[in-house]
Amino acid sequence: EVQLVQSGGGLVQPGGSLRLSCGTSGFTFKSYNMNWVRQAPGKGLEWISYISTDSTTIYYADSVKGRLTISRDNAKNSLYLQMNSLTAEDTAVYFCARDRGSYPTSYFDFWGQGTLVSVSS
Amino acid sequence: DIQMTQSPSSLSASVGDRVTVTCRASQSIYNYLHWYQQRPGKAPKLLIYLASSLQSGVPSRFSGSGSGTHFTLTISSLQPEDFATYYCQQSYTSLTFGGGTRVEIK
Repeated sequence: EVQLVQSGGGLVQPGGSLRLSCGTSGFTFKSYNMNWVRQAPGKGLEWISYISTDSTTIYYADSVKGRLTISRDNAKNSLYLQMNSLTAEDTAVYFCARDRGSYPTSYFDFWGQGTLVSVSS
Repeated sequence: DIQMTQSPSSLSASVGDRVTVTCRASQSIYNYLHWYQQRPGKAPKLLIYLASSLQSGVPSRFSGSGSGTHFTLTISSLQPEDFATYYCQQSYTSLTFGGGTRVEIK
């Protein structure tokens, strides 16, 4: 069974940092491109970042470029999102998602359960 | 960026109804269009990929059609578990989602 289990969310002050993790099982992690998608409270879905199987190709949405860093560890079957210089606009539920394709022809066939990041003083 | 516009933003329907949700792209995206279902408090679930291909395990009452700029998701006979929000997503260039369509119980 494919599983993506997320951890690392929480409350952080404006300007602070947080690292999200997405542990996976049930599939060959190193063979799949991965993504992060977020959803602000009561709002729609927003794709924010993509990483290729070997980490050589990375993309970010303009809204997070320069502040968020995606990475992966294929030996640990895990995906990460390092979040720096956070603002209230980053408050959202963050989902990791497995990619069935390859950017830009990406779509997401399995998702983590989501983790809430709240940015507030 | 390509803008994705869903309509309606919400609808009320009864169990057994045929329901259609529309997604329009601001430019041609060929068939790079995918549909997701999201129940409250849950992660999205892939229903349809590449406009009309049914994801494994998804009931056959769900279907997708369209190409270019106009796409539809149809639920042939609405079931109680189908009350949720539905999103389209384009993957022709960058990755953007529609604003969502909430399907509520009438």
